[in-house]
Amino acid sequence: DAGITQSPRHKVTETGTPVTLRCHQTENHRYMYWYRQDPGHGLRLIHYSYGVKDTDKGEVSDGYSVSRSKTEDFLLTLESATSSQTSVYFCAISAIDDKKNTGELFFGEGSRLTVL
Amino acid sequence: GQSLEQPSEVTAVEGAIVQINCTYQTSGFYGLSWYQQHDGGAPTFLSYNALDGLEETGRFSSFLSRSDSYGYLLLQELQMKDSASYFCAVLSYNTDKLIFGTGTRLQVFP
Repeated sequence: DAGITQSPRHKVTETGTPVTLRCHQTENHRYMYWYRQDPGHGLRLIHYSYGVKDTDKGEVSDGYSVSRSKTEDFLLTLESATSSQTSVYFCAISAIDDKKNTGELFFGEGSRLTVL
Repeated sequence: GQSLEQPSEVTAVEGAIVQINCTYQTSGFYGLSWYQQHDGGAPTFLSYNALDGLEETGRFSSFLSRSDSYGYLLLQELQMKDSASYFCAVLSYNTDKLIFGTGTRLQVFP
């Protein structure tokens, strides 16, 4: 299995508070992604990174920011959490640097966030 | 925009064959992938079609037809453990992003 871990795995917070989710990989892969998963919506891309300090927006980036200061860590921040951001968040990494060859991602186990 | 449509739910019995379809609207992509996700778990990669045609991996096969904007995942000799959600996904030329379909929940009955 690819070495990818997410923390925290579960978090309950209140509306208006900041939240940071961490994704850590030991595979030295260039591409990292943050998705959210909600019933009826599948997996929706929030942000992704194609290298240290190189990030771009996905389909549902409003209300989220990311940072990648090291190859192994990709942080997702909710500056001021809202109830609509209650979701399961998955981090993923590409299997190989040239991801276009296989389209394969390895996913972390997910972080379940509840915003009250 | 880009969208991938899948049936929301499919049911079948053990030992049967089931096909999960994926129709898409996208301006261009490198290939079509399939992922499996059990309840409470993370998605796991099943297969990838870069070219038109059939790719076989054990009991699972995946098919792509770019001219028809269509693909499918074929599961043979169904087992109870195949009960899960299945997602198709495309890696877009234009945006360099992996976009997922809405998912199909497969329930296998004894």
